[in-house]
Amino acid sequence: GAVVSQHPSRVICKSGTSVKIECRSLDFQATTMFWYRQFPKQSLMLMATSNEGSKATYEQGVEKDKFLINHASLTLSTLTVTSAHPEDSSFYICSADGYSHEQFFGPGTRLTVL
Amino acid sequence: QQQVKQSPQSLIVQKGGISIINCAYENTAFDYFPWYQQFPGKGPALLIAIRPDVSEKKEGRFTISFNKSAKQFSLHIMDSQPGDSATYFCAASVGQAGTALIFGKGTTLSVSS
Repeated sequence: GAVVSQHPSRVICKSGTSVKIECRSLDFQATTMFWYRQFPKQSLMLMATSNEGSKATYEQGVEKDKFLINHASLTLSTLTVTSAHPEDSSFYICSADGYSHEQFFGPGTRLTVL
Repeated sequence: QQQVKQSPQSLIVQKGGISIINCAYENTAFDYFPWYQQFPGKGPALLIAIRPDVSEKKEGRFTISFNKSAKQFSLHIMDSQPGDSATYFCAASVGQAGTALIFGKGTTLSVSS
């Protein structure tokens, strides 16, 4: 089956620092990857759609200068949370468009900003 | 019109029983309806998906029933097991590559042994 990995799985950082999260499709090429944010006991909230070789499309209310997305290859997309603050603490999950429009999700990254 | 409404919010089922989770949508352009299973601290895993050309799809103990005229679809888990205890999300999208999924709010299922 299609496998999507994320790194790191957990990260703790100080307020004001930047954090980069990687999302990789391990056994397939993904033209499109998606980034979600999930708060405890809530559903997934789409942050942005990332297309290889082009600028990401951000959902309304998501600050593109704060959440930088780069999709440099067909197997890698990165999300950088710049100048992180405690309110950015959350569970960040990526997904990749696989075969027949099936979306496969990564295991998620738990970000804690102190 | 982009919403997917999911119910119930939580569900408790005895081991061996049938778990039923329902979803409804408004956008008639949606043509791909997956269900995801998520355990705490993990990413969602694709469980089963259906397209509107069929009314039912079964994979093992999991069945999706789809009612196009009512714009509703449901997940049935037969012979529910404690290991099925998780959060389940329905979703919908226009089935084109690069199109984001619209998720329901999720159902927390607890299967008691």
